[in-house]
Amino acid sequence: DSGVTQTPKHLITATGQRVTLRCSPRSGDLSVYWYQQSLDQGLQFLIQYYNGEERAKGNILERFSAQQFPDLHSELNLSSLELGDSALYFCASSVDGQRAYNEQFFGPGTRLTVL
Amino acid sequence: LAKTTQPISMDSYEGQEVNITCSHNNIATNDYITWYQQFPSQGPRFIIQGYKTKVTNEVASLFIPADRKSSTLSLPRVSLSDTAVYYCLVGDRGTGRRALTFGSGTRLQVQP
Repeated sequence: DSGVTQTPKHLITATGQRVTLRCSPRSGDLSVYWYQQSLDQGLQFLIQYYNGEERAKGNILERFSAQQFPDLHSELNLSSLELGDSALYFCASSVDGQRAYNEQFFGPGTRLTVL
Repeated sequence: LAKTTQPISMDSYEGQEVNITCSHNNIATNDYITWYQQFPSQGPRFIIQGYKTKVTNEVASLFIPADRKSSTLSLPRVSLSDTAVYYCLVGDRGTGRRALTFGSGTRLQVQP
């Protein structure tokens, strides 16, 4: 158990819908990262938040957005869903996203299926 | 970011030592080499990190030659539970570039 929690574990929805994925980082971790893992694209970095502020952006679509709240939990919002958005979405956290490398701890993931 | 190249898959038997080599010809001076392990439908898990020579922990060893253009993850006496995908990542340990860039990884299959 990494200490990172993600809900829900599974999500099945239809094209065009909007969903919200939730992540609670390890206690004391200030950085939260979101990754998408699909069969054809592998593990891809989407976005990082550090202490409530966006810190880095990866291959995140405009239909996707995220935020980190004062209690440091984070939500990833996916809208206008397409079949190709079906994937495993991982959240990871680390102690400090600013300076020295810190090991990232990954949550169990949310499996999104878009029908 | 330095590009990494790893074998797509490897097979081994229980009790054997497994060595997975990663090539990173364009590694920069500030880059560290990090390995993650991922089981099916689980998030990746940090295994080991190093800069040069040899690093060992309770799980694995990491060998890095002097030119640092490659690295080898060594798993001693593997068991069935070591069946997973292993990712080699190269990146700056300093400020910036916090996100991890995963390649295709090496799928290790351990057989009884």
